[in-house]
Amino acid sequence: GNSVTQMEGPVTLSEEAFLTINCTYTATGYPSLFWYVQYPGEGLQLLLKATKADDKGSNKGFEATYRKETTSFHLEKGSVQVSDSAVYFCALSVSGGGADGLTFGKGTHLIIQP
Amino acid sequence: DSGVTQTPKHLITATGQRVTLRCSPRSGDLSVYWYQQSLDQGLQFLIHYYNGEERAKGNILERFSAQQFPDLHSELNLSSLELGDSALYFCASSVVALTDTQYFGPGTRLTVL
Repeated sequence: GNSVTQMEGPVTLSEEAFLTINCTYTATGYPSLFWYVQYPGEGLQLLLKATKADDKGSNKGFEATYRKETTSFHLEKGSVQVSDSAVYFCALSVSGGGADGLTFGKGTHLIIQP
Repeated sequence: DSGVTQTPKHLITATGQRVTLRCSPRSGDLSVYWYQQSLDQGLQFLIHYYNGEERAKGNILERFSAQQFPDLHSELNLSSLELGDSALYFCASSVVALTDTQYFGPGTRLTVL
């Protein structure tokens, strides 16, 4: 089956630190990969996506590269801010056209201290 | 704001009862997905409807059912509720056939007492 593995945290960093959240996956097909972010009391927001190997998704200073050889999609940001504190979910979809639902990791709780 | 709306925001009910959660997709989106988020199971896909028809099922219990109406809004029906059904229920919408990106609503928090 399909699965996503990511560190659960909490991950605590100081403002302006470098961030990496690891995400690896297994899939019975050729997946699209996503990072979603959930702020306290809110729904999930798409942060970035990549649909084929070596694609790099980026948004709001966050980046992730689709690595087929290592089945990974690690999230990085060069300098985090307090406002980045949230839960981050790595997810995949293996059905072309999005027929099936997303498979999510457990989520990584990120805490940024001023 | 994703453009996906869900009602109610909170729901408190008793074991054995039945509830209905409502979702309105973004304008132009034909697909609606339902997810359950709980502390022990994480985020789990329940069911997907496209233009009124069921397209895929995930880990949805037989006590749960859904439908999508001609105006494309969707309802998730949960019956014979148990304590373990307490969770956040999200719906998401997408265009489908053009993109895999799903846009999530703010969720309905269900508490079963």
